[in-house]
Amino acid sequence: SQTIHQWPATLVQPVGSPLSLECTVEGTSNPNLYWYRQAAGRGLQLLFYSVGIGQISSEVPQNLSASRPQDRQFILSSKKLLLSDSGFYLCAWSVGPTDTQYFGPGTRLTVL
Amino acid sequence: AQSVAQPEDQVNVAEGNPLTVKCTYSVSGNPYLFWYVQYPNRGLQFLLKYITGDNLVKGSYGFEAEFNKSQTSFHLKKPSALVSDSALYFCALYTGGGNKLTFGTGTQLKVEL
Repeated sequence: SQTIHQWPATLVQPVGSPLSLECTVEGTSNPNLYWYRQAAGRGLQLLFYSVGIGQISSEVPQNLSASRPQDRQFILSSKKLLLSDSGFYLCAWSVGPTDTQYFGPGTRLTVL
Repeated sequence: AQSVAQPEDQVNVAEGNPLTVKCTYSVSGNPYLFWYVQYPNRGLQFLLKYITGDNLVKGSYGFEAEFNKSQTSFHLKKPSALVSDSALYFCALYTGGGNKLTFGTGTQLKVEL
């Protein structure tokens, strides 16, 4: 069966510091991968998605970037964090573009 | 524009009573609709989806949803609520030809004894 991992689970970072969040999927090949941010415990915002290695689509211009160095690995990065980057970051995967998305456990990021 | 709306911020239900969490949508073409549940500080869990076929979709944990094309609705239902059903529920719609899952604002369900 397929599983999705995210780490770290929680992170507290100072403003201006770099960021690297990692997501990996097991049990499937060539998944579509997604990064979402959830602010204030409610609305989900799609940040990036990827349909293959090295293929990244950005949905919202911002302080973040994403990379997919391996088939089942998706990384969310920032060179300098802002206070507004605080939130709950969720990774998800699907088989195809309109298939069910399955979510990871999330990373709680607090920028101080 | 394609969108999904959850008109209720919060729904309160007594345990054992039926529950309904409302969702309406706007889309050109055939909708791909989903329901997810989120417990505090956890990721979203998939409950059920409608792609095509029967208007009544059965999902996990005893939940079901009714697709109504004329009313453009996809309400989530359960015949008998449990306290453990208390969580945040999201309706979602694929837009833009796929890959973009647009979420509603979420409905907090509170089931009380």
